[in-house]
Amino acid sequence: DVKVTQSSRYLVKRTGEKVFLECVQDMDHENMFWYRQDPGLGLRLIYFSYDVKMKEKGDIPEGYSVSREKKERFSLILESASTNQTSMYLCASSFPTSGGTGELFFGEGSRLTVL
Amino acid sequence: AQKVTQAQTEISVVEKEDVTLDCVYETRDTTYYLFWYKQPPSGELVFLIRRNSFDEQNEISGRYSWNFQKSTSSFNFTITASQVVDSAVYFCALTLNSGGSNYKLTFGKGTLLTVNP
Repeated sequence: DVKVTQSSRYLVKRTGEKVFLECVQDMDHENMFWYRQDPGLGLRLIYFSYDVKMKEKGDIPEGYSVSREKKERFSLILESASTNQTSMYLCASSFPTSGGTGELFFGEGSRLTVL
Repeated sequence: AQKVTQAQTEISVVEKEDVTLDCVYETRDTTYYLFWYKQPPSGELVFLIRRNSFDEQNEISGRYSWNFQKSTSSFNFTITASQVVDSAVYFCALTLNSGGSNYKLTFGKGTLLTVNP
């Protein structure tokens, strides 16, 4: 059974803290993604990676960085958390296809609250 | 830039009713892919369908059907004889087939469907 696992379902952090959100997939997918989901805004892409050590900015990368040292793991880093980063964070992975990205497999999400 | 619009923010129906979720997209590319995802209350998005821009055939899968019309840039999703388990947020999404953009899905804001018993 394919699986994308996010390390924490719920986190509470304080303003200015460094936050790590971890994501692991067991499907040997090349592509991995971090999305942010907010009410009324849908899903917005923060960063994605199409290979180990490769990363590309999405639509809202400000305030975030990522790390992909191994194929199965993609980490989202908030260097100095702020209250406007309170959100649901969704990790996803996929195989690349000749016609663009295929089906995305999503994790259950990490709900981050920054106080 | 591409855009996906789901004008219906929330829909509420009674079990066994048919319901259609609208999706309108914008892109200048001729090759693109459209998706629908379901997000149940548990939170994990589930893939429902992927359709490329050259295939305008309608698709039916059980109680689910999709109507793709390039002339109106729409990719609507219909649930026939809705059930309580269909209650979820449904997202329409678009990706292009050009360079690095083929990795990026642009999502609509989602439609919350509530099916009441």
